[in-house]
Amino acid sequence: ETGVTQSPTHLIKTRGQQVTLRCSSQSGHNTVSWYQQALGQGPQFIFQYYREEENGRGNFPPRFSGLQFPNYSSELNVNALELDDSALYLCASSSDRIPGNTIYFGEGSWLTVV
Amino acid sequence: AQTVTQSQPEMSVQEAETVTLSCTYDTSENNYYLFWYKQPPSRQMILVIRQEAYKQQNATENRFSVNFQKAAKSFSLKISDSQLGDTAMYFCAFMKPSNAGGTSYGKLTFGQGTILTVHP
Repeated sequence: ETGVTQSPTHLIKTRGQQVTLRCSSQSGHNTVSWYQQALGQGPQFIFQYYREEENGRGNFPPRFSGLQFPNYSSELNVNALELDDSALYLCASSSDRIPGNTIYFGEGSWLTVV
Repeated sequence: AQTVTQSQPEMSVQEAETVTLSCTYDTSENNYYLFWYKQPPSRQMILVIRQEAYKQQNATENRFSVNFQKAAKSFSLKISDSQLGDTAMYFCAFMKPSNAGGTSYGKLTFGQGTILTVHP
């Protein structure tokens, strides 16, 4: 097991609602990245947080937003949920302090939008 | 922008045999990292092996090895002595090196994945 924990594990939301997913990073890791993985596809990079600021974003609309806290944990928020937002959301932690450091993934949060 | 292509949606192999998964990528960068990740039904993404582009020697990790062809932009994974526990989805991924003033570490571009089934 990695030291990256995500919550909740599974959740069901209604179209138009808002959702918050949480991630606690590996000890000593100061960078958190979020990915969306639709069923049967590879993960897609949503954004990364470094030093509590967004540090790069993939091709996702502004209704996907996030936060990073002083303890390096992070939240992913999605507003105005759409059916296509149904996916596995993966959090990954890493550190710029250790060259070549491994990137650790959490077990993901399954989001179903109905 | 980088792209990663895995042309084999599904592969199968008999237990104890060898299988090779293919991956090609496109980038204008000279230095970068390449990864193979394994994702079993539990959905936990597990690092299998990592290659740094400036290293000419192919990476190996026990039964797993890669054939890194930088000029051809090819990065295949060879699994020797396949085991039932190797059954999973395998993803090839690309990452740029850290950029000045920030960090690119952790921003992975994944391929579409290859489902590997190991038969007893």
